[in-house]
Amino acid sequence: QPVLTQSPSASASLGASVKLTCTLSSGHSSYAIAWHQQLPEKGPRYLMKLNSDGSHSKGDGIPDRFSGSSSGAERYLTISSLQSEDEADYYCQTWGTGMGVFGGGTKLTVL
Amino acid sequence: QVQLVESGGGVVQPGGSLRLSCAASGFTFSSYGVHWVRQAPGKGLEWVTYIPYDGNYKYYADSVKGRFTISRDNSKNTLDLQMNSLRAEDTAVYYCAKDLGVEALADYWGQGTLVTVSS
Repeated sequence: QPVLTQSPSASASLGASVKLTCTLSSGHSSYAIAWHQQLPEKGPRYLMKLNSDGSHSKGDGIPDRFSGSSSGAERYLTISSLQSEDEADYYCQTWGTGMGVFGGGTKLTVL
Repeated sequence: QVQLVESGGGVVQPGGSLRLSCAASGFTFSSYGVHWVRQAPGKGLEWVTYIPYDGNYKYYADSVKGRFTISRDNSKNTLDLQMNSLRAEDTAVYYCAKDLGVEALADYWGQGTLVTVSS
């Protein structure tokens, strides 16, 4: 089964860009993932599906500031022109053989 | 617009049972699989169970296998989660989330319902 690894925390300045990483375990580098955002005290919100070739499809109303890319087993979420409301937890998700998998999440702090 | 509304959460004693429901609207429910995902206080998201659009298969996390049962009624646009033999570690906010349709990745989420297992 795939395992998704995320750094526990990241930080970047207001107006800057940040790139969050989700790493698929060995043997699963072809898997697509989904990125989700969870604002403080809120439920998760779907951001996008990201394929192994870097193509991605975003959810309804997701700003252009959010983009995805891939390299090997790495799946990236890039947020540009950071705003204070981007401060949140970000989770990646995939589907293995009969089971769902979430990464541990990255807490993004906007400085 | 797509809406998923969970209900049924509450406080239950260890060993007890609870049934959660998820009411879906704004999309063709019978065409999409649905997940239950939970989040313990201060922790990350944990996948719990998934049922495809037709309900023919059911998938469970090892942590709930044999205790939880997922079901759906496509005529009523509802999803249920029957939780038996509850433990303190089942305490969490439970979310239902529909999948993308082409694969079992979640897109739309409900607002969640809190389950507290405590004596």
